[in-house]
Amino acid sequence: GDSVTQMEGPVTLSEEAFLTINCTYTATGYPSLFWYVQYPGEGLQLLLKATKADDKGSNKGFEATYRKETTSFHLEKGSVQVSDSAVYFCALTETSGSRLTFGEGTQLTVNP
Amino acid sequence: AAGVIQSPRHLIKEKRETATLKCYPIPRHDTVYWYQQGPGQDPQFLISFYEKMQSDKGSIPDRFSAQQFSDYHSELNMSSLELGDSALYFCASSLLGQGYGYTFGSGTRLTVV
Repeated sequence: GDSVTQMEGPVTLSEEAFLTINCTYTATGYPSLFWYVQYPGEGLQLLLKATKADDKGSNKGFEATYRKETTSFHLEKGSVQVSDSAVYFCALTETSGSRLTFGEGTQLTVNP
Repeated sequence: AAGVIQSPRHLIKEKRETATLKCYPIPRHDTVYWYQQGPGQDPQFLISFYEKMQSDKGSIPDRFSAQQFSDYHSELNMSSLELGDSALYFCASSLLGQGYGYTFGSGTRLTVV
């Protein structure tokens, strides 16, 4: 079945540092890929998505590129802020309307 | 803009009791999904409904049941609650064919004591 693997966490960075959170996936078809963010005590918010190979999703300074050859969708941000502290989930779905499969989540803490 | 509404936000139940969680999707969304997120874990898919019919089933215990009503809201019924059922339960909605737009609610935190 489908699966998503994220880099082991947690991740602690200083403000303005560069962020990379690795995500790789296994899927039988050609999935769509997502990054969701979860702030403490809140629900999941869509951060960005990519629906086909070589697509780049971007939002709020975060970027991720759908790499079919390496089955990866790594999340990057050039300069993190304290307000970026949250849990980040990589996820995929095989088709529109079908279930999302999530990775384990990566806790990001950004210190001033 | 209207979001996915879940109620209640918090619920405390005793073992062996019953709980009902409600989800009101975004207007005109035709698909509802339920997920369970244990402490420090990733969300696990439970069940989904499209146009009031069950469309997919995941790791939902037999003690749980769900349905989607004519007004598209959905309810997750949980019976014979166990301590391990303590979790955050999310509902999400989408409109089929509209570009993978899943919107999540804020969740119901269920604590079984």
